[in-house]
Amino acid sequence: SQKIEQNSEALNIQEGKTATLTCNYTNYSPAYLQWYRQDPGRGPVFLLLIRENEKEKRKERLKVTFDTTLKQSLFHITASQPADSATYLCALVFASGGSYIPTFGRGTSLIVHP
Amino acid sequence: EPEVTQTPSHQVTQMGQEVILRCVPISNHLYFYWYRQILGQKVEFLVSFYNNEISEKSEIFDDQFSVERPDGSNFTLKIRSTKLEDSAMYFCASSVEGVANTGELFFGEGSRLTVL
Repeated sequence: SQKIEQNSEALNIQEGKTATLTCNYTNYSPAYLQWYRQDPGRGPVFLLLIRENEKEKRKERLKVTFDTTLKQSLFHITASQPADSATYLCALVFASGGSYIPTFGRGTSLIVHP
Repeated sequence: EPEVTQTPSHQVTQMGQEVILRCVPISNHLYFYWYRQILGQKVEFLVSFYNNEISEKSEIFDDQFSVERPDGSNFTLKIRSTKLEDSAMYFCASSVEGVANTGELFFGEGSRLTVL
C-alpha cells in the first residue's frame, strides 16, 4: 500500500538558518504534492503545491522540490524565524480513477530557536 | 478574508449518542470535505461532497457516518452512535474547484469530539 513518510523527530534549528523537511513516498508518484502548515489545535493551512512535471516551486521564503525518481519532496524555509515553528504536513494527490483527494503524511515538527 | 467555520469547537458525548458537527464552507466553494485527526496522528480523509452527493469516501466512513448539505450554506457530519475510537479532531475543508484544478484545500479550525 502507498506510504508517506515524514521524519517523526522534531527539527530544531537556529533563527536565520534554512530549515529542510523531507517527504518520502512509496510506490506510485502523485500527480501533485502539497505542503501545509499546522499549528497546535488548529486546521492545516495550504502553503504550496508542486506538480509531478515540475522540479521546483518557490513562494517568498519557501521552496519545494519534487524528485519522482527518488520519490521525494524537500521543503525549505530560508531565513527561518521563530514564527515558522509549527508542524509541516506533506500531502499527496493521486489522479487515479478521477479521484483527487489529498492524502496526508504525519508531519514533521519544526522548532526555530531565537 | 473568507474562512471555513466549524461548530462546535469542542463536544463531549457519551458512547452510543448521536453527534452532528457543522461546517459553513467558503461561500463560492463547490467541493466539501471532512477529515479527522486522532490526537498525535495524521490527518485522515473521511468523505468528499460535490453537487449534493458524496463523490468519494474512505474505509473509515462506514454506515455510522453521514453527511448532508441541508441548505445553501451548511455542511454537516453526523455520527449515529459514537464509539470511544471516534474521539478526534474533525476538520471540514472546502475548495472552489476540484483539487485537480487549484490544489488548495481551505480547512476550518476543527471540532474536537470527545467520546466518554
